[in-house]
Amino acid sequence: AQTVTQSQPEMSVQEAETVTLSCTYDTSESDYYLFWYKQPPSRQMILVIRQEAYKQQNATENRFSVNFQKAAKSFSLKISDSQLGDAAMYFCAYRSPNTGNQFYFGTGTSLTVIP
Amino acid sequence: SQTIHQWPATLVQPVGSPLSLECTVEGTSNPNLYWYRQAAGRGLQLLFYSVGIGQISSEVPQNLSASRPQDRQFILSSKKLLLSDSGFYLCAWSVRPRQGLGTDTQYFGPGTRLTVL
Repeated sequence: AQTVTQSQPEMSVQEAETVTLSCTYDTSESDYYLFWYKQPPSRQMILVIRQEAYKQQNATENRFSVNFQKAAKSFSLKISDSQLGDAAMYFCAYRSPNTGNQFYFGTGTSLTVIP
Repeated sequence: SQTIHQWPATLVQPVGSPLSLECTVEGTSNPNLYWYRQAAGRGLQLLFYSVGIGQISSEVPQNLSASRPQDRQFILSSKKLLLSDSGFYLCAWSVRPRQGLGTDTQYFGPGTRLTVL
C-alpha cells in the first residue's frame, strides 16, 4: 500500500511570511494524484490544492503553491503571505487511479500563524 | 452547487449503545460516498465506501457497518459501541465518472464528533 509521510507534526509562521509544509510518499506507480487538505478548528476538511503526477507544472491556487518533485516523491505546500485564517491542520493525500476509492492520508501538520 | 450534510454534529454515547450517523449530499447524482474516522492527533482512516445504492465496501474490520438506502444518503451504524469507536467521523463524496474507478477529488462534510463513555 502507498504511504504518505508528513515529518513535521507542528509548524509556525509569522503573519505575512511564507511557510513550507513537507510531504513525501512511497509508490511504485507512475500516474497518481496528490492533494493538500486543510482542517481548521471547525474540523471540516477543505481541499486546498491538487496535483496530477503527469503534469510537470506545479499547481498554484492563489497564495498556495506546491513543489512537486516526482523523482524524489516529494510534494510540499508553500503558503505565501500567511494569514491568521491559515491556521489549521494540513493533510497531504495520495490517490491512485488504480484504487479509485482509496485516498492515503498523512498524519498531518499543525500550522500556527503568529500575529 | 453541491453540499454535504452530516448529523449529528456531536454525540456522546455509553459503551454498548447503538449508533447511527447520517450523511446526505445535495446537488449531485450518483456520487461515490465515503466514511472516514479520524482519531485524536491522527490522520484519516477510510472505513467504508459506496459506488451505488446498496453497494458497500469495507476497508477495515470493526463493529461498524454502513448502508446506502438512497442515492445520496449514507449511514454509519453500530449495534454496540466500544470505547475505541470514539473519534471524529467524516463523510465525503466524489463524482462518479461514466467510466473508470473514480475521480481525483473528495469533498468532505463538517463531521461528527463521537465520544463513547
